[in-house]
Amino acid sequence: SQQGEEDPQALSIQEGENATMNCSYKTSINNLQWYRQNSGRGLVHLILIRSNEREKHSGRLRVTLDTSKKSSSLLITASRAADTASYFCATDATGTYKYIFGTGTRLKVLA
Amino acid sequence: DAGITQSPRHKVTETGTPVTLRCHQTENHRYMYWYRQDPGHGLRLIHYSYGVKDTDKGEVSDGYSVSRSKTEDFLLTLESATSSQTSVYFCAISGDRGIAGGETQYFGPGTRLLVL
Repeated sequence: SQQGEEDPQALSIQEGENATMNCSYKTSINNLQWYRQNSGRGLVHLILIRSNEREKHSGRLRVTLDTSKKSSSLLITASRAADTASYFCATDATGTYKYIFGTGTRLKVLA
Repeated sequence: DAGITQSPRHKVTETGTPVTLRCHQTENHRYMYWYRQDPGHGLRLIHYSYGVKDTDKGEVSDGYSVSRSKTEDFLLTLESATSSQTSVYFCAISGDRGIAGGETQYFGPGTRLLVL
C-alpha cells in the first residue's frame, strides 16, 4: 500500500491542552497537507507545507516536516471542543498528480 | 465553500447492478478525483482526471471506471456493484500546480452507497 500512517489513531484530551498527531509517508513528495473531517462531512484543507520547508504556522496550528525521516507532525495549541474531528495528512508524490492520504487521527476534545 | 456537488447523496442498490455517481464543479478546476472512505483505511484514491478525457488509475481502481467529457463533470461508474463497494465516496477538485493554492483539494459532501 502507498498509504501513509498516522499516529495515534485516536487521541482524547481536555479543552485547553495541546494535541499532537504524526504522519509518516513512503515516497519523495512535493508537499504535505493536513485536512480535517467532521463526522459525516467532506474534508477541509487546513495547511500545506512544501518539501523545502521545515515548519509552518497558521493560527493555532503548527506543522513540521522532516523529509529525511519522511514524517510530519501537526500541533493544535489550546484545543477547543470544536476541534473534535478526524485529521488526515496527504502527500503529493513527486512527479504525479496523485494525493495519498493517511489513515487519520480521531481527536476528541473534552469540554 | 468551493462549488462542488455530488449526486446522489445516498444510494441503495443490489449486487450486480450498474451504478453511476456524479461529481459536478463550478470552479473550472483542472484536476478531479474520486476517493472511497472505509473504516480503518482512511481515504483511498480510485481514479483521477487531469483534464477533459484525461484520466488515470489510483490505488483501488478495480471494478470502477470514470469519464470526464467536460471540465465540470466527473463520473464514477461501478459496472456491476459488489458488496465490497459499499462505502462513502468523495469527489475532490484542485487547481493548477503552478498557481498559489493550486495544490489544495476541495471536497464534495460525499455519497453513501450501500450494495446489498
